[in-house]
Amino acid sequence: GAGVSQTPSNKVTEKGKYVELRCDPISGHTALYWYRQSLGQGPEFLIYFQGTGAADDSGLPNDRFFAVRPEGSVSTLKIQRTERGDSAVYLCASSVSSASSYNEQFFGPGTRLTVL
Amino acid sequence: AQKVTQAQTEISVVEKEDVTLDCVYETRDTTYYLFWYKQPPSGELVFLIRRNSFDEQNEISGRYSWNFQKSTSSFNFTITASQVVDSAVYFCALSEAGGNTGKLIFGQGTTLQVKP
Repeated sequence: GAGVSQTPSNKVTEKGKYVELRCDPISGHTALYWYRQSLGQGPEFLIYFQGTGAADDSGLPNDRFFAVRPEGSVSTLKIQRTERGDSAVYLCASSVSSASSYNEQFFGPGTRLTVL
Repeated sequence: AQKVTQAQTEISVVEKEDVTLDCVYETRDTTYYLFWYKQPPSGELVFLIRRNSFDEQNEISGRYSWNFQKSTSSFNFTITASQVVDSAVYFCALSEAGGNTGKLIFGQGTTLQVKP
């Protein structure tokens, strides 16, 4: 079956601009996660959705970052007034449910964001 | 506080050598889950294994084996008879059951290069 997909695969923008990154999770997966991976580092948690609601947004670095999942499937990560420090690979993952922390997360290929 | 440390930044071996990747974790939860993911040059994270904190049995899967020791808070990964295709970045990750979100705390990763 289809895995997690993310679009665009690459995004180059200028400092101060607004960007949207999209994630299509595996069909039927209720849990969705966003992570950010800087060069040479491990992924860092940003936000977790269970269904339509953001159950944990403790990893969002500041209020320029926002994410939605209005119908419990596709999610969009939105970044306002981008800064050069936002440049990273943004990863999306989904799992069947987070009712148990045991569930494997399936990752997408990521969106590489470059802020000039 | 939860933390995962992978002290080895890069490892280089010659094909057919055995190699062990170290992982040390910190958590206050008594119930938690440990994972290993592989990130090949293509960039997509691939799940390898998960263990829960109550199961200290070592596991072997083909050329891969994992050694989980709660006494030293370690979850090490050994590749036997390494192959060039094993070249990738390997991440160890922790998920605490207490938050009930399933979010992963990743280590910094170990880059493994297997030379022919």
